[in-house]
Amino acid sequence: NAGVMQNPRHLVRRRGQEARLRCSPMKGHSHVYWYRQLPEEGLKFMVYLQKENIIDESGMPKERFSAEFPKEGPSILRIQQVVRGDSAAYFCASSPRGRLTPQETQYFGPGTRLLVL
Amino acid sequence: QQPVQSPQAVILREGEDAVINCSSSKALYSVHWYRQKHGEAPVFLMILLKGGEQKGHEKISASFNEKKQQSSLYLTASQLSYSGTYFCGGRYNNNDMRFGAGTRLTVKP
Repeated sequence: NAGVMQNPRHLVRRRGQEARLRCSPMKGHSHVYWYRQLPEEGLKFMVYLQKENIIDESGMPKERFSAEFPKEGPSILRIQQVVRGDSAAYFCASSPRGRLTPQETQYFGPGTRLLVL
Repeated sequence: QQPVQSPQAVILREGEDAVINCSSSKALYSVHWYRQKHGEAPVFLMILLKGGEQKGHEKISASFNEKKQQSSLYLTASQLSYSGTYFCGGRYNNNDMRFGAGTRLTVKP
């Protein structure tokens, strides 16, 4: 049973370029969460998506960041016009049922390390 | 609305015990514990639901005191493999999950 997949694992971008991070949830999971982790810090919630819907984007910066989870294909976190402060590890997690069941947990992917030069 | 973990860091000798605490100012519905090794993804350890339950996984156990809104993770007879950063995730009544800043555990031989 494949776990949560993320690609690329490492991404280098120059300031002003776009970064696209992909996340394929575990088989049978239709809920995806994105987190950002700065070096030596905790996991900061960014956005929660179900298929074709954004449920909660309260942790997303208002500008340059967007996320989608289409009916077919992986979830994508898109960062436009990247700046040095965007350098971080971005983790995706998935769960089968999402927030409706408090006992449901999330399973994390290996993360994408973004470095902005 | 983010759990507070303490201590921030712990250094142990192999075989020693440690306790990591996670507390919240808002009512927690459940607590989720994860361990993350450097450069890797967080790995799920266990969930504790309301009701003051305790759980264990080998020599790692945890408790959840609903009245105090506090969970504690107990690591007994620590092994080198326990090294990593431990995160607690707090699930709130609106079903949001937020993570603490983490506790870095180092186990030395």
